[in-house]
Amino acid sequence: DVKVTQSSRYLVKRTGEKVFLECVQDMDHENMFWYRQDPGLGLRLIYFSYDVKMKEKGDIPEGYSVSREKKERFSLILESASTNQTSMYLCASSLSGEVGYTFGSGTRLTVV
Amino acid sequence: QKEVEQNSGPLSVPEGAIASLNCTYSDRVSQSFFWYRQYSGKSPELIMSIYSNGDKEDGRFTAQLNKASQYVSLLIRDSQPSDSATYLCAVRGGGGSNYKLTFGKGTLLTVNP
Repeated sequence: DVKVTQSSRYLVKRTGEKVFLECVQDMDHENMFWYRQDPGLGLRLIYFSYDVKMKEKGDIPEGYSVSREKKERFSLILESASTNQTSMYLCASSLSGEVGYTFGSGTRLTVV
Repeated sequence: QKEVEQNSGPLSVPEGAIASLNCTYSDRVSQSFFWYRQYSGKSPELIMSIYSNGDKEDGRFTAQLNKASQYVSLLIRDSQPSDSATYLCAVRGGGGSNYKLTFGKGTLLTVNP
């Protein structure tokens, strides 16, 4: 089975900190995604990448950036964390556009 | 803006009944359709995919797709308390950005013993 690993299950950060969320997949998938999930708002796409060093903005990229230096790793960066970025962050990967995603276990980030 | 709509629920069914979950989508050229199950505090897990009109069965789950009506559904037969979760409908659109899925907000299903 494909495994998507997110480095932290829970994180607490202070307002203004730079925050790195790491995601690694072990099945040579081309596509990787970062979503946030909030009650009543569902899953919202932040950024995605379809190849190494390639990235595209999703629906809510403001306040975030990403990095994909290696195929297996996709990092989400909160440049200056704010309280409205408190959320569950989910990383996902897929082999192609034809198949569904495999999600990581998620990182619950709290910004205080 | 591509949209995927689901009844938010909650949907409550007795154990052993059929649970019916519905989803509509706005992008007429959508290609692929997925159902995910998400237990409270966990990440979504893919349970069904469907690509062509008609029914697709996998155990107690049946996905149904009607592209003309832009409608996809999930039936769960012989519902069990362990099926209690939020079910997310996801749609892959056509065109250039066909890597990404658009998700509905989910329907909360409760199966009562």
